[in-house]
Amino acid sequence: NAGVTQTPKFQVLKTGQSMTLQCAQDMNHEYMSWYRQDPGMGLRLIHYSVGAGITDQGEVPNGYNVSRSTTEDFPLRLLSAAPSQTSVYFCASRIRNLGTTGELFFGEGSRLTVL
Amino acid sequence: KNQVEQSPQSLIILEGKNCTLQCNYTVSPFSNLRWYKQDTGRGPVSLTIMTFSENTKSNGRYTATLDADTKQSSLHITASQLSDSASYICVVKVVGGGADGLTFGKGTHLIIQP
Repeated sequence: NAGVTQTPKFQVLKTGQSMTLQCAQDMNHEYMSWYRQDPGMGLRLIHYSVGAGITDQGEVPNGYNVSRSTTEDFPLRLLSAAPSQTSVYFCASRIRNLGTTGELFFGEGSRLTVL
Repeated sequence: KNQVEQSPQSLIILEGKNCTLQCNYTVSPFSNLRWYKQDTGRGPVSLTIMTFSENTKSNGRYTATLDADTKQSSLHITASQLSDSASYICVVKVVGGGADGLTFGKGTHLIIQP
């Protein structure tokens, strides 16, 4: 199993450009989420989805859009990149009910630099 | 506000030595606590998950403890190896909670020197 696959691993954008970070999982997980990781801060939730067709905002959603048309894919879109969006982005997935033992699986990350 | 504080921020030890990482939390109501290992340039990988009733849980050379009364957890690494060099992240889950109900610590950056 590939688990959670993110592409691209590295990306450099200019301010105002748009792009999409791709995330795919092959574990048939209902729940998928996007986090950003910045130096000196814990992982922060951007958007999440509890199933195909259902998305919701996390802690830091501004400047990002998501959609969930299939169980497997959960792309993150930056419509007009800003330097404040320079970060490492992680996609994660799990079964819907995390409960007391449910495992959260992370991708390898996408490092984005906005100039 | 739910918070997870980890200490120390960074730690350097010699290969073969033991070390203990600390995690204090103010998350409520508590559901479970997780420790993740994050190698440089990689995604976090789960080490242990502990519920309210569990005091100690081991995963090879990693042993996590939980004191739900004082809201403290520790991760003890025995006979450290070079491959233990990584960031270790403490994550606490609330009962119910909006979104994923997870609060992440900032991590402890551990360096094992030969």
